[in-house]
Amino acid sequence: DTEVTQTPKHLVMGMTNKKSLKCEQHMGHRAMYWYKQKAKKPPELMFVYSYEKLSINESVPSRFSPECPNSSLLNLHLHALQPEDSALYLCASSQGSNQPQHFGDGTRLSIL
Amino acid sequence: GIQVEQSPPDLILQEGANSTLRCNFSDSVNNLQWFHQNPWGQLINLFYIPSGTKQNGRLSATTVATERYSLLYISSSQTTDSGVYFCAARFYNQGGKLIFGQGTELSVKP
Repeated sequence: DTEVTQTPKHLVMGMTNKKSLKCEQHMGHRAMYWYKQKAKKPPELMFVYSYEKLSINESVPSRFSPECPNSSLLNLHLHALQPEDSALYLCASSQGSNQPQHFGDGTRLSIL
Repeated sequence: GIQVEQSPPDLILQEGANSTLRCNFSDSVNNLQWFHQNPWGQLINLFYIPSGTKQNGRLSATTVATERYSLLYISSSQTTDSGVYFCAARFYNQGGKLIFGQGTELSVKP
């Protein structure tokens, strides 16, 4: 699925850095999602936005801060991450919460 | 509790062979999707199939919602079919949360 665009594709950062992951879709979808995927594991849901409002937070540590500036954009702000936060971060969108989710190609994040 | 279970966990095939992947889910679902994650990490939608049967080329899927399982059929497998196949379900009482199975890792040998 390439209709959900994530940037950057790769990110290496230190534990004291602040960075942001970006996700964009132009399919008119009203629900957007962040997932975290560790190697050899399935994706795990982090956050759900519905109509630009946060509807689900899966008890994610506060060093991850999501933001939905408008219906097409979803950001994930990162601060003071730990080495165990190294993973593939996937963004997805769907027309509604009950409709199929379409995934971006992900951002591979490495924390030094 | 709420579960999505996939079998087999690993599968090795010779090119040209057929295979069936299974997904069992523990409760009623209103969304079931099959994905293929290629070796580069891209998660590709294969089917949205909360019930019934669909076909797309060499792939087809069937979900029997009343018996809480879904099957993914791959015919005449090719080396490009290699990767991990995930089943993911949204349960009626779980909000917008899509719950993934552990995946089936498929390796197709030339």
